[in-house]
Amino acid sequence: AQTVTQSQPEMSVQEAETVTLSCTYDTSENNYYLFWYKQPPSRQMILVIRQEAYKQQNATENRFSVNFQKAAKSFSLKISDSQLGDTAMYFCAFMISGAGSYQLTFGKGTKLSVIP
Amino acid sequence: GEEVAQTPKHLVRGEGQKAKLYCAPIKGHSYVFWYQQVLKNEFKFLISFQNENVFDETGMPKERFSAKCLPNSPCSLEIQATKLEDSAVYFCASSQFRGRGQPQHFGDGTRLSIL
Repeated sequence: AQTVTQSQPEMSVQEAETVTLSCTYDTSENNYYLFWYKQPPSRQMILVIRQEAYKQQNATENRFSVNFQKAAKSFSLKISDSQLGDTAMYFCAFMISGAGSYQLTFGKGTKLSVIP
Repeated sequence: GEEVAQTPKHLVRGEGQKAKLYCAPIKGHSYVFWYQQVLKNEFKFLISFQNENVFDETGMPKERFSAKCLPNSPCSLEIQATKLEDSAVYFCASSQFRGRGQPQHFGDGTRLSIL
């Protein structure tokens, strides 16, 4: 079974600063995908970024980037130039590739507050 | 449609009553997933469908939960004889293909409150 651990229940960052949210996972699989989802107070689940485990290159999406360390089973999210709209819960999630149900396994989330 | 549509947004039931939640996946998406998010923010996978066929139901509590995805109808999740512990937000997600890291697109959820 796969597990996803987010060790920071809450974090805060000043507007315009950079913050890094950590995520580690445990799996015996070699092929998988990792995701970060954002859940603002409106409750929507919004995909932030996606990483393919077989790719060495770290994914980036505008102000969002990841530091993917496969050997360490670590997948942290860096948010640059933080904006008030980044205030939300952030969930790290894991999906097996190949045969499987393709369900997402989520961490427990990190609540990020961006302070003006 | 272009979004996953879940109805109702909020459902209140007395303990022991039935609750039924609906989900219309994005048009063209063949895979539907149901997740339960409890108050501590933890997500639990319940069930997935490929079109109208159950793909994986390993997360479903067998006794009281059931789900369907019928052709030309929204998918549904039904809970019989609800319990206080069923209070949660239930999310439906859909994806176009299976695997290959296809992102799952989520609806806005249905908040189920059991009194």
